[in-house]
Amino acid sequence: EAQVTQNPRYLITVTGKKLTVTCSQNMNHEYMSWYRQDPGLGLRQIYYSMNVEVTDKGDVPEGYKVSRKEKRNFPLILESPSPNQTSLYFCASSFRGHLTTGENIQYFGAGTRLSVL
Amino acid sequence: GESVGLHLPTLSVQEGDNSIINCAYSNSASDYFIWYKQESGKGPQFIIDIRSNMDKRQGQRVTVLLNKTVKHLSLQIAATQPGDSAVYFCAAFYNKLIFGAGTRLAVHP
Repeated sequence: EAQVTQNPRYLITVTGKKLTVTCSQNMNHEYMSWYRQDPGLGLRQIYYSMNVEVTDKGDVPEGYKVSRKEKRNFPLILESPSPNQTSLYFCASSFRGHLTTGENIQYFGAGTRLSVL
Repeated sequence: GESVGLHLPTLSVQEGDNSIINCAYSNSASDYFIWYKQESGKGPQFIIDIRSNMDKRQGQRVTVLLNKTVKHLSLQIAATQPGDSAVYFCAAFYNKLIFGAGTRLAVHP
């Protein structure tokens, strides 16, 4: 089954304790992206990757890191989480990231709800 | 900066009625649009897309209308069912996808 898998689904942590949220897709997509979703603000892009070893900042990258060593995996790293990073996080992937066609349709994981105390 | 907004945060409809969810975008250069559905506890799911060279596109029970003059698009759901209850997002693409905040559709029996 074609899917984007995020882990964990739920995470409660404390300020300053490094954490990683994993994301994996099995659709051989080139483009992957991380979003955070907060009430009333919609989906805001944190980081994206056009392909292996190619990553770039989105709209809200502060406090986050990513890596893209393999095509299928795109982990999100919070080196020193803070309470303002409490949010619902989504990983997404698409065949391409820059074309105005169906190749740009992003497929989303089920989400990771993070609470930073 | 670029923005995408929905006109109503919530919409309540009766089962069997048609639903219309509206969305406005700010960048007139946006040339591709997508509607997503997000059910409780799940990630957004693709519903339908439309390119800027089209005014209308139909899917199964859903229709998207695009009015480039006023930078507005709408999602119409025919014969709304309880399973349609969800948050609906539009997204506009120009260099990247910009998402709106979402409209919650509540379907009442």
